Amino acid sequence: DAKTTQPNSMESNEEEPVHLPCNHSTISGTDYIHWYRQLPSQGPEYVIHGLTSNVNNRMASLAIAEDRKSSTLILHRATLRDAAVYYCILRVNNRKLIWGLGTSLAVNP
Amino acid sequence: NAGVTQTPKFQVLKTGQSMTLQCAQDMNHEYMSWYRQDPGMGLRLIHYSVGAGITDQGEVPNGYNVSRSTTEDFPLRLLSAAPSQTSVYFCASSRRDSWNEKLFFGSGTQLSVL
Repeated sequence: DAKTTQPNSMESNEEEPVHLPCNHSTISGTDYIHWYRQLPSQGPEYVIHGLTSNVNNRMASLAIAEDRKSSTLILHRATLRDAAVYYCILRVNNRKLIWGLGTSLAVNP
Repeated sequence: NAGVTQTPKFQVLKTGQSMTLQCAQDMNHEYMSWYRQDPGMGLRLIHYSVGAGITDQGEVPNGYNVSRSTTEDFPLRLLSAAPSQTSVYFCASSRRDSWNEKLFFGSGTQLSVL
């Protein structure tokens, strides 16, 4: 199965942009890239997803490399409430979600 | 709008005991699923349902049973708990037309089996 690789942890300052990287070198052409985040003591929360083109929504932007072997989740202005574990996930065969281990993001005031 | 509600939040069982983890959603979502989250591993799918009366196995179904008699409820049953089932359990739901695109998760049940 395809898998994702993320840094264990990252740190950012409040109101600065954050770029969270994800490697998925074994991705197939039909696999979607999803991002969820998990705040302490809560369930995961959907952030964004995409296939080939970059995607934007009110929470974040997703930049997908041209060869699709990597992607970056961009938080444009980090707030203290953005401190969470961010998961990069592959949706394989339009069915199975393969979760990575996530990046724990700390936001400094 | 409560979303996805899981009960209980915490549970301690002895090996061999049975229990049911409850999950309810008020969004009229057709798709519901159960995941477990263990340290050092990504979330793993236990069972899922695409509608009332329809259930199927995920990647780690052994030791767990489910049923779906209504759209709203999707309970997870442990018939004979084992220490290997110590985990945090999450229920999720979504619309059928985006069933694996945007999942809504409950806040989880932390289960310890002694």
